[in-house]
Amino acid sequence: DAGITQSPRHKVTETGTPVTLRCHQTENHRYMYWYRQDPGHGLRLIHYSYGVKDTDKGEVSDGYSVSRSKTEDFLLTLESATSSQTSVYFCAISGRQGEAEQYFGPGTRLTVT
Amino acid sequence: LAKTTQPISMDSYEGQEVNITCSHNNIATNDYITWYQQFPSQGPRFIIQGYKTKVTNEVASLFIPADRKSSTLSLPRVSLSDTAVYYCLVGSPSGSARQLTFGSGTQLTVLP
Repeated sequence: DAGITQSPRHKVTETGTPVTLRCHQTENHRYMYWYRQDPGHGLRLIHYSYGVKDTDKGEVSDGYSVSRSKTEDFLLTLESATSSQTSVYFCAISGRQGEAEQYFGPGTRLTVT
Repeated sequence: LAKTTQPISMDSYEGQEVNITCSHNNIATNDYITWYQQFPSQGPRFIIQGYKTKVTNEVASLFIPADRKSSTLSLPRVSLSDTAVYYCLVGSPSGSARQLTFGSGTQLTVLP
């Protein structure tokens, strides 16, 4: 399995609080992605990164920001969590932009009350 | 964007061959077709990828007709452990990550 870890694996937080999810890889892949998965919606791309300090928006980026200060780490921040952001969040990595062969982390289950 | 359409669910029995078809009518010339498998509480796992005709690996086969507007994932002799959601995805290594779209997937249930 690709070396991808996510932390925390589970989190419960209150509406209005900031939350940061971390994705860490040991594969030295250039591209990293954050997805959310909700029932009936499959996987939807939030943000992605194509290098250190290089990021771009995905399909559902409103309410989220990201940062990548090192190749191995990609952070997803919810500045002020809302109940609509309750979801399972997956990080993925790939060797090429737009590459459909991606390797996914174990996921973070976030509940916003 | 090359969107995909798959059946929502399928049932099969142990030992049977299962074929899951994905429709991608507006697939671009440079797009590849990729399939993922996802078990509950886990991240998706890459199964197979192809561009045209047939691709086979130790897990599955992928059949792509000449017009490439659809593709079929074939799982030989399924077992209970193949119960999962299967996603079809199209995209190009030279394209933007924003163009990668996962559909809702197909829930495959293998019955004893």
